[in-house]
Amino acid sequence: QVQLQQWGAGLLKPSETLSLTCAVSGTSFNNYFWTWIRQPPGKGLEWIGRVSHDGVTDYNPSLKSRVTISVVTSKKQFSLMLTSVTAADTAVYFCARVPFNLYYMDAWGKGTTATVSS
Amino acid sequence: QSALTQPASVSGSPGQSITISCNGTSSDVGSYDLVSWYQYHPGKVPKVIIYGVTERPSGVSSRFSGSKSADTASLTISGLQAEDEADYYCCSYSKEDVFVVFGTGTKLTVL
Repeated sequence: QVQLQQWGAGLLKPSETLSLTCAVSGTSFNNYFWTWIRQPPGKGLEWIGRVSHDGVTDYNPSLKSRVTISVVTSKKQFSLMLTSVTAADTAVYFCARVPFNLYYMDAWGKGTTATVSS
Repeated sequence: QSALTQPASVSGSPGQSITISCNGTSSDVGSYDLVSWYQYHPGKVPKVIIYGVTERPSGVSSRFSGSKSADTASLTISGLQAEDEADYYCCSYSKEDVFVVFGTGTKLTVL
């Protein structure tokens, strides 16, 4: 059974760095993209970016200057860092698995709420 | 890269069928058979119900079906049930450097 367990700081002040980690179990780490998605309150889903098992990354251009997604394959973990956060970054953040070449999210973490407030 | 366009809300009575549209462009929906649909109950986790435009993951009811014509994808839910009430999002691969684009989301109300 595939499980994605995510954790990270939930309350941040403006200009701080959001840091989240997702640990994967019950599945191979290869042959998938490992992805971060968010949903701001009252808004839709937004793709943040992805990383492959060997560390190749792609990011949403709207966030690219502030986002880093990294992977530790030996631990089957991947992480999201988002710098210089503002209230607009307040959202529920999900990690998810995407099979290569199929481009759909077939397994999701439970979500972490990150709130940016002074 | 703009989000794919969905109606903000649709509604139907139990037993009826509804269709949710997802309007994209030739850079995403129109160019790739990589459209997926997600059912999202507030406070829970999105669940894929359609991938590859028409494919249903194991365990997803056959009441859910997907299609595509040109730049528009569609999700049809037949035999509406109360538990279908949720938010629905389409998603597509994009040739633009955003790679993945979601729809604006549709709230389904079962009357």
